[in-house]
Amino acid sequence: DADVTQTPRNRITKTGKRIMLECSQTKGHDRMYWYRQDPGLGLRLIYYSFDVKDINKGEISDGYSVSRQAQAKFSLSLESAIPNQTALYFCATSDGGPNTQYFGPGTRLTVL
Amino acid sequence: EDQVTQSPEALRLQEGESSSLNCSYTVSGLRGLFWYRQDPGKGPEFLFTLYSAGEEKEKERLKATLTKKESFLHITAPKPEDSATYLCAVLEGNYKLTFGKGTLLTVNP
Repeated sequence: DADVTQTPRNRITKTGKRIMLECSQTKGHDRMYWYRQDPGLGLRLIYYSFDVKDINKGEISDGYSVSRQAQAKFSLSLESAIPNQTALYFCATSDGGPNTQYFGPGTRLTVL
Repeated sequence: EDQVTQSPEALRLQEGESSSLNCSYTVSGLRGLFWYRQDPGKGPEFLFTLYSAGEEKEKERLKATLTKKESFLHITAPKPEDSATYLCAVLEGNYKLTFGKGTLLTVNP
């Protein structure tokens, strides 16, 4: 079984809809992250969480919100989706300190 | 100005033709440099972490090296299954991972 899972894997939605992407991990890591990937722009950090009560904005948090429901679960919400939020979304986890981030398989989101 | 620059953007090799990918960075206070492999439509897969200049890591046909300003990913006698996008990322502070845009490697049989 995969250590970091994301649901759904693909989602097509319409402008203005609320969307939630979910991430679960079995690695036992405290830290979880949400990134988006766009062609030509690389991976960019949306939000990160060091533990259940510690949630922080990344470099591109506008239009997004998150919820850390448990150590193993971290959800990303788009309150009112817009077309330029069409992208690949990845969840990642890591231990504390300068340690490796491990990525999930991604969610391909298309906003029409 | 990009803090992490990968070159070339794309590289096409024949099977068995060795080469190197470059990752140059301008961040201060580097706490780690990471190499990932990404296949189309999939999440980045961790390859190596390098923490200090002079460090080298090796795995099968891949070898990563680190200097104070850049890292190289050397691919020896590549096979078609090595075709992927290779991502470099640098860690500043305790969590901030800055990614390069990647090098798309294609290995032809």
